[in-house]
Amino acid sequence: EVQLVESGGGLIQPGGSLRLSCAASGFTFSSFAMSWVRQASGKGLEWVSGISGSGRSTYYADSVKGRFTISRDNSKGTLYLQINSLRAEDTAVYFCVPVSGRGEYFPHWGQGTLVTVFS
Amino acid sequence: AIRMTQSPSSLSASIGDRVTITCRASQGFNNYLAWYQQKPGEAPRLLIYGASTLQSGVPSRFSGSGSGTDFTLTISSLQSEDFATYYCQQYYNYPLSFGGGTRVEIK
Repeated sequence: EVQLVESGGGLIQPGGSLRLSCAASGFTFSSFAMSWVRQASGKGLEWVSGISGSGRSTYYADSVKGRFTISRDNSKGTLYLQINSLRAEDTAVYFCVPVSGRGEYFPHWGQGTLVTVFS
Repeated sequence: AIRMTQSPSSLSASIGDRVTITCRASQGFNNYLAWYQQKPGEAPRLLIYGASTLQSGVPSRFSGSGSGTDFTLTISSLQSEDFATYYCQQYYNYPLSFGGGTRVEIK
C-alpha cells in the first residue's frame, strides 16, 4: 500500500524559510517522479513543483520559481520542498504526490502538511 | 503554460440527475487529462486519466471524453456520495496545471 507522510509545516513569518518533507513507502520510490501540489483554504488545487525519479530534472510553477527548491533522497525514500522568502499567498496545505507510471497524473495522495504564513 | 478553465464553477443537482462538467485548455493536446474528486477535509481522489480511462475502483457512472482543447466529465446518475468538488488537470507538459474546480451541490 502506498503511504505518503508529509511533515515540516507550521507557522512562519513572511520572508521566512521552511523545509517540507514527505516520507514515501509502498512503492519503488526512485522509479517514480514526484510532485508537490498545494491548496489554500477554500481554494482550488495548484501544482507547485515536480522532480524526476533520478532527481536530475526539476520543474516549477511560475508563482514559486526562484523561491522553492524540490529535491529527493532516494536512499531514504524522502521528498523535500525547501521554501524560501515565504509570502502570505504561500499559506496552504501542501500535498506530496507520486506521478503515475503512465503519465504525470496523481493516483495517490497523502493528507498534506499545513503551512501558515502570518505577520 | 497551459491554462485550464472549468465550467460551471458550481452547480446544483438532484439525486439521479445527469451532470456534465466541462474543462477547456488554452492550447490543444491529445488526451493528457485527468479528473479528480475532492470532498471537504479529504485529499483529492483520481477518477479518470487519459481523458476517458476510469481509475480502478471508480463507479462506472463516471465517464470522461474529449480531446484537443475541450474535455467533459459526466456523472450519468448522481448519487449522494458524488456531492463534492471536481478538478481537471492537464499533464501534457510542465508546468502541470489544474482547472479551478466545479462544486456539485444538492438541489
